[in-house]
Amino acid sequence: AQKVTQAQTEISVVEKEDVTLDCVYETRDTTYYLFWYKQPPSGELVFLIRRNSFDEQNEISGRYSWNFQKSTSSFNFTITASQVVDSAVYFCALSEGRSSSSASKIIFGSGTRLSIRP
Amino acid sequence: EPEVTQTPSHQVTQMGQEVILRCVPISNHLYFYWYRQILGQKVEFLVSFYNNEISEKSEIFDDQFSVERPDGSNFTLKIRSTKLEDSAMYFCARTGRAGLNTEAFFGQGTRLTVV
Repeated sequence: AQKVTQAQTEISVVEKEDVTLDCVYETRDTTYYLFWYKQPPSGELVFLIRRNSFDEQNEISGRYSWNFQKSTSSFNFTITASQVVDSAVYFCALSEGRSSSSASKIIFGSGTRLSIRP
Repeated sequence: EPEVTQTPSHQVTQMGQEVILRCVPISNHLYFYWYRQILGQKVEFLVSFYNNEISEKSEIFDDQFSVERPDGSNFTLKIRSTKLEDSAMYFCARTGRAGLNTEAFFGQGTRLTVV
C-alpha cells in the first residue's frame, strides 16, 4: 500500500529564513514517482517537481531544493531565503509505476501549511 | 493559461440534488482524473479515466458518482444525490500525452457547497 506522511502540520518562520518541509513515503513498488505541489491561498494546485525512484540526484531550482533519499524513504523540500509569497500549503505526493493500460493515481500527504512572516 | 478549465468555479446545491462538474482539457490528452479536497484536508483520489473508460476508482467513488466524456472533449463528474459531506473542492487533472507516471496538472477546482 502507498502512504505519504508529512509530519509537520504547520510551520511558521520569519522571512529570509531557510525552511525544510519533511516527507516520508511508503510503497512496495520498486518503480515509483514522487512529487511536490504547492497550494496557495487561492486554492489551485501548482506542480513543483517530480522525481523518479531510480534517480536519487538532488535538484535545485532557484531558492527551492529537494533531497531524495531512498535509504530513509524521504523526499524533503527546502526553501532558502523564504519570502512571504512562499506562504502556502505544500503537499508531497507519490504514484506507483504502471503499465500502459492504466492511469496512475497520485496519493497525497496531508500537507504542511507554511507561513512566512515579514 | 491553465492546463484544464473547470466549470463552474463555485456551485451551491441543495442536499439530494444532482450536480455536474465539468472539465475541459486544453489539448488532447487521454488520461484524466478527479480528486476531492474537503476543506482543510488532504487531496483525495476519486477516479481515473483512460481511453473513455474508468481505469481505477477509490472507495469514495460509490454509486452516486459517475464520470463520462460525452463529446470527446468535456470530462464530467456527476453526483446523483448530493449529501452534506460532498461539500468539497473538486479538482480535475490530466497527465501528459504519455499518460503514465508523469505529474498531474490540475484545474483551478470547483468548490461545491451542499446545503
